Amino acid sequence: DGGITQSPKYLFRKEGQNVTLSCEQNLNHDAMYWYRQDPGQGLRLIYYSQIVNDFQKGDIAEGYSVSREKKESFPLTVTSAQKNPTAFYLCASRAIPRDGLLNQPQHFGDGTRLSIL
Amino acid sequence: EDQVTQSPEALRLQEGESSSLNCSYTVSGLRGLFWYRQDPGKGPEFLFTLYSAGEEKEKERLKATLTKKESFLHITAPKPEDSATYLCAVQAKWVGGTSYGKLTFGQGTILTVHP
Repeated sequence: DGGITQSPKYLFRKEGQNVTLSCEQNLNHDAMYWYRQDPGQGLRLIYYSQIVNDFQKGDIAEGYSVSREKKESFPLTVTSAQKNPTAFYLCASRAIPRDGLLNQPQHFGDGTRLSIL
Repeated sequence: EDQVTQSPEALRLQEGESSSLNCSYTVSGLRGLFWYRQDPGKGPEFLFTLYSAGEEKEKERLKATLTKKESFLHITAPKPEDSATYLCAVQAKWVGGTSYGKLTFGQGTILTVHP
């Protein structure tokens, strides 16, 4: 079955530690996204990538880093510079519409919940 | 700046009691409005895309409508399994010829349907 796999489901970070969240998709989508979800707030965009070896900052990129070495994979690193990392992290992907085609929705994985020890 | 506001924040219904969720938006040219359903501890599940005012989409007990300022998600004769958080998001028209599909999300409406 095609889909987006995020791992691990739960992750704990110690002070001063960097942690990496995995996101893999087999939908053959070009674009991939990382969001952060906090209680009572809408999803906020951290980083996005439209093509391999290229990515752009979203609205809240400080304290995070990403890479896009393969089309299927878009890992997110939460660095020690992110002072409030406790949140639910969601990865999404989307097919980029070709000219004349309707806009395509983003599809999401089941998230990683990150907490501070 | 694009903005999305959903109301109410929480809605409790009895099974079979129809109602509507509201999504008000301001965007510099709408490229699409998206509805998602999110269960606790899960990622959002795509429901509908609406592209222009007057458009309607239906799926089982759900019907989404769109005007120039808001969208409604109508739930007809809901069942307990419809309990979830419903998210609305908008995508603005391309900026500078580059589409990266950025979505602006509302905070969601938590729907609880009691048997």
